[in-house]
Amino acid sequence: GAGVSQSPRYKVTKRGQDVALRCDPISGHVSLYWYRQALGQGPEFLTYFNYEAQQDKSGLPNDRFSAERPEGSISTLTIQRTEQRDSAMYRCASSPSWSGRVSTGELFFGEGSRLTVL
Amino acid sequence: GQQLNQSPQSMFIQEGEDVSMNCTSSSIFNTWLWYKQDPGEGPVLLIALYKAGELTSNGRLTAQFGITRKDSFLNISASIPSDVGIYFCAGPYYFGNEKLTFGTGTRLTIIP
Repeated sequence: GAGVSQSPRYKVTKRGQDVALRCDPISGHVSLYWYRQALGQGPEFLTYFNYEAQQDKSGLPNDRFSAERPEGSISTLTIQRTEQRDSAMYRCASSPSWSGRVSTGELFFGEGSRLTVL
Repeated sequence: GQQLNQSPQSMFIQEGEDVSMNCTSSSIFNTWLWYKQDPGEGPVLLIALYKAGELTSNGRLTAQFGITRKDSFLNISASIPSDVGIYFCAGPYYFGNEKLTFGTGTRLTIIP
């Protein structure tokens, strides 16, 4: 597609339920990033992939959070046993280049998935 | 970890005024990026800076990479209504990497 597409745009769930957030990056983009953004704050890094390989997951808050990108395109961020503190905007971004090369630093962000845990 | 502090946190200006904002870091950055976020949207890259002392313009926007490598500045001249939004500075954790740290943001509001 023309831009980064995320679904669902809004998700309301009860505490303890699992949620899966999907990201469809710009076609051909090698790198895919997941960020979390609290209201009024800057995005906070969670994890990223080059192709299908997860390069860094140091930003994932705990082991309830996981992400995959099995075919190097679409990615899913899964949160198990959700808690109220998981409520936030989850943003996906993609980039045409990959870590280790000189890059422009330009990430293309999607519109985000707003998660509310009741 | 690295922290990027932006000031001011918010600005209320009249259309046509010039705007200045800055970003400071606790550690050295080799790349500085300025993103803008419109309401309900994801951040969009405005300007990228790659060398200490570099001054780069993009239309009415001008950004500078501080000599100390620990700060950057963004100026907007003759503001217009579409400049409203949140401006974030950002930098990669290390050179050539796109894992970005984002600043705390400066919210720009234009008073009619």
